[in-house]
Amino acid sequence: DIQMTQSPSTLSASVGDRVTITCRASESISNWLAWYQQKPGKAPKLLIYQASSLESGVPSRFSGSGSGTEFTLTISSLQPDDFATYYCQQYNTYSPWTFGQGTKVEIK
Amino acid sequence: EVQLVESGGGLVQPGGSLRLSCSASGFTFSSYAMYWVRQAPGKGLEYVSTVNYNGISTYYADSVKGRLTIFRDNSRNTLYFQMSSLRAEDTAVYYCVKGRLRFMDRSAFDIWGQGTMVTVSS
Repeated sequence: DIQMTQSPSTLSASVGDRVTITCRASESISNWLAWYQQKPGKAPKLLIYQASSLESGVPSRFSGSGSGTEFTLTISSLQPDDFATYYCQQYNTYSPWTFGQGTKVEIK
Repeated sequence: EVQLVESGGGLVQPGGSLRLSCSASGFTFSSYAMYWVRQAPGKGLEYVSTVNYNGISTYYADSVKGRLTIFRDNSRNTLYFQMSSLRAEDTAVYYCVKGRLRFMDRSAFDIWGQGTMVTVSS
């Protein structure tokens, strides 16, 4: 199975900060990578698909980049609504799809 | 409005069975692969299973293979998850999820239900 490793596990930041989360795959997944945001007690929400494509309705302060085995999610200017847990997910292989362990973005 | 509504969760004893349902609306259900993803209390997301758009192909995580069965009824716009031989480690919120691309098994997950809690305990 392809393993997805996110770093950091927890990130403390302030409103207005530029935030970057990294996701590494154990083998190449081309650009078959998505990013999700999850708030406590809620279902995840798709932010980015195919590594760098912004899902409709998602604010432009979110961006994704990378290919192969290394990917990043960047929030250009952190807003109060962005404090949440973020997951990467690979969908390169049919079975199984795998998620990273999550990165919690906390208020500094 | 595109919507997925799960039902069927609850408390079940170890070794017991449960069937989850997911009612879909607001999109052409029969054109999209559907998935189940679970999240144990306080833990991360875990992919569980896929059924392709016409129900012919299914995929499972190793942790549930042989015990849980995904299937769909496109005439009723409903996804199902038959769970048997349940274990304590199956305790989780189970999310019904829609694939983003029509007719593709491989795509990001663009619509999630609100989740239904399954608790396996004696």
